[in-house]
Amino acid sequence: EAGVTQFPSHSVIEKGQTVTLRCDPISGHDNLYWYRRVMGKEIKFLLHFVKESKQDESGMPNNRFLAERTGGTYSTLKVQPAELEDSGVYFCASSQPDRDAGNEQFFGPGTRLTVL
Amino acid sequence: RKEVEQDPGPFNVPEGATVAFNCTYSNSASQSFFWYRQDCRKEPKLLMSVYSSGNEDGRFTAQLNRASQYISLLIRDSKLSDSATYLCAVNRGSQGNLIFGKGTKLSVKP
Repeated sequence: EAGVTQFPSHSVIEKGQTVTLRCDPISGHDNLYWYRRVMGKEIKFLLHFVKESKQDESGMPNNRFLAERTGGTYSTLKVQPAELEDSGVYFCASSQPDRDAGNEQFFGPGTRLTVL
Repeated sequence: RKEVEQDPGPFNVPEGATVAFNCTYSNSASQSFFWYRQDCRKEPKLLMSVYSSGNEDGRFTAQLNRASQYISLLIRDSKLSDSATYLCAVNRGSQGNLIFGKGTKLSVKP
């Protein structure tokens, strides 16, 4: 079974530019999450989709970040315009809750974003 | 105070040693608990969920203490390949987001 995939693996952009990150969850997983790890800090939650609906976007830093999940399959996270503090690794995770296993989330390899 | 706290380490242990990590959480409403393993510049990989009754998977044992609000991970007979950062994660709701600690770094030496 294919895992969570993310594209691109790395992105280097200049301040003020736009970047779009993509996440393909594990097939059949309704829950999709975006997280971010800034250097030296813990992994922090950004937002959560259930199918195509935003369930919780309380972790989104500001309105420069826009996430979509049209059709309830893959998701995109756009940063426009990017700022220096947006640099970090953006992880996507997906899950399909199971009564016994709980909500085990499986992570993609991440996109390393560097804003210069 | 952080919602999930871990000793950052590093824990430097010889091969074959037993090592234990603790993780404390502050929100008593937390429902689900997990240990993840993260290798350098890689994604977190789910190591094990932590159940109220405790659970074991080979050399790894996880325990939950709700009264004291901590979870633990015990690794027996450490291998060189166990060297990684171990992340504790807590989930407040049944489907909600994970709250992570900063991780504990383990280095197993020959």
